[in-house]
Amino acid sequence: RKEVEQDPGPFNVPEGATVAFNCTYSNSASQSFFWYRQDCRKEPKLLMSVYSSGNEDGRFTAQLNRASQYISLLIRDSKLSDSATYLCVVTLSYSGGGADGLTFGKGTHLIIQP
Amino acid sequence: GAGVSQSPRYKVAKRGQDVALRCDPISGHVSLFWYQQALGQGPEFLTYFQNEAQLDKSGLPSDRFFAERPEGSVSTLKIQRTQQEDSAVYLCASSLTGLSGTQYFGPGTRLLVL
Repeated sequence: RKEVEQDPGPFNVPEGATVAFNCTYSNSASQSFFWYRQDCRKEPKLLMSVYSSGNEDGRFTAQLNRASQYISLLIRDSKLSDSATYLCVVTLSYSGGGADGLTFGKGTHLIIQP
Repeated sequence: GAGVSQSPRYKVAKRGQDVALRCDPISGHVSLFWYQQALGQGPEFLTYFQNEAQLDKSGLPSDRFFAERPEGSVSTLKIQRTQQEDSAVYLCASSLTGLSGTQYFGPGTRLLVL
């Protein structure tokens, strides 16, 4: 499986601050990119898909840099409830094919402090 | 509507015992994925079904692991002759489409092999 790397953290950030972290991937043929959020002892849940043009959802902004092979997640005005592990997901193949390259990063642990 | 469900939620097995883990995907979801997640790690891909076809099983760690989805709905992950290193959370996810679609995760089965 192709490598996907994330800084495990933890990132300790005061409430209200802006925080950003990246996820690098090794295969330039990667096609689809996602950010998932996982709370302690819970299942991962989709936070955002990452589009080539970048996308924003409220306080969250995701960007893709194909040239440097990384995706980023920016959280503005952080809330205590943003504390979680953020997992990036990179896939190579579209539906119908094998799942080669379907890889989760190990996650970045974010702690928002009051 | 109902999400992905998994059973049992917790399983304690003696080394050498066989276990079967069940996943009920969201109704109508074509794709089904199994992952293994060790403590502090991201989910590791095990296998992928599209309907009843197992399109990729390259992530299964050994021939003691076997997965099936005979009618394209419920899936079972079977682990034969469990070993201590099999202790992990086993996550199931389903997707309406394929690899490029949003994956919805079940709560996982926590397996402890003594």
